[in-house]
Amino acid sequence: QQQVKQSPQSLIVQKGGIPIINCAYENTAFDYFPWYQQFPGKGPALLIAIRPDVSEKKEGRFTISFNKSAKQFSLHIMDSQPGDSATYFCAASIENNQGGKLIFGQGTELSVKP
Amino acid sequence: DTEVTQTPKHLVMGMTNKKSLKCEQHMGHRAMYWYKQKAKKPPELMFVYSYEKLSINESVPSRFSPECPNSSLLNLHLHALQPEDSALYLCASSTGGFDTQYFGPGTRLTVL
Repeated sequence: QQQVKQSPQSLIVQKGGIPIINCAYENTAFDYFPWYQQFPGKGPALLIAIRPDVSEKKEGRFTISFNKSAKQFSLHIMDSQPGDSATYFCAASIENNQGGKLIFGQGTELSVKP
Repeated sequence: DTEVTQTPKHLVMGMTNKKSLKCEQHMGHRAMYWYKQKAKKPPELMFVYSYEKLSINESVPSRFSPECPNSSLLNLHLHALQPEDSALYLCASSTGGFDTQYFGPGTRLTVL
């Protein structure tokens, strides 16, 4: 019930394509859903995040779609570029007074071909 | 400024050595975290400090010893590590609760 399932494991698209990464969760106590982008040898960087009272959030070329009833959320990257090639992690967070505990998906390795 | 800094960037140590990893943030965040990340895997939570007190220990072996000297600093003391402990060690911070965690660049640790 604490898991976040992420798919696909890897994804190859052409420049300009729209890669879509999907995540699903079971625990309805999750109340915060961030996406992180990680380049090789670097720490994860927050890309965009959403709370369950919103069905969609867009920041630049990145959009999160959220389906609370299905307990699913996804990341869309519009007009993808080779510089977007990285590993993407979805996550979910459980609120507590001890500091947020992020539950990560397994990651998606995205390659954008020129 | 949303920067978390970590030193050193790389560390190679033998199984009998004692070393420390350091993390610093100046964003006024009250929660700080240590994660371990293996290649092609997500970060795994190790410890959480909230208001300078250890609030979560994810059953980490005692050869890893965290310390939070003040609200801006977080250390991870390493002793008698095993080769399987080789990984990227990430520090993160947040204002607390379930809000955004900001990660540092990590320390690449190799245990020989």
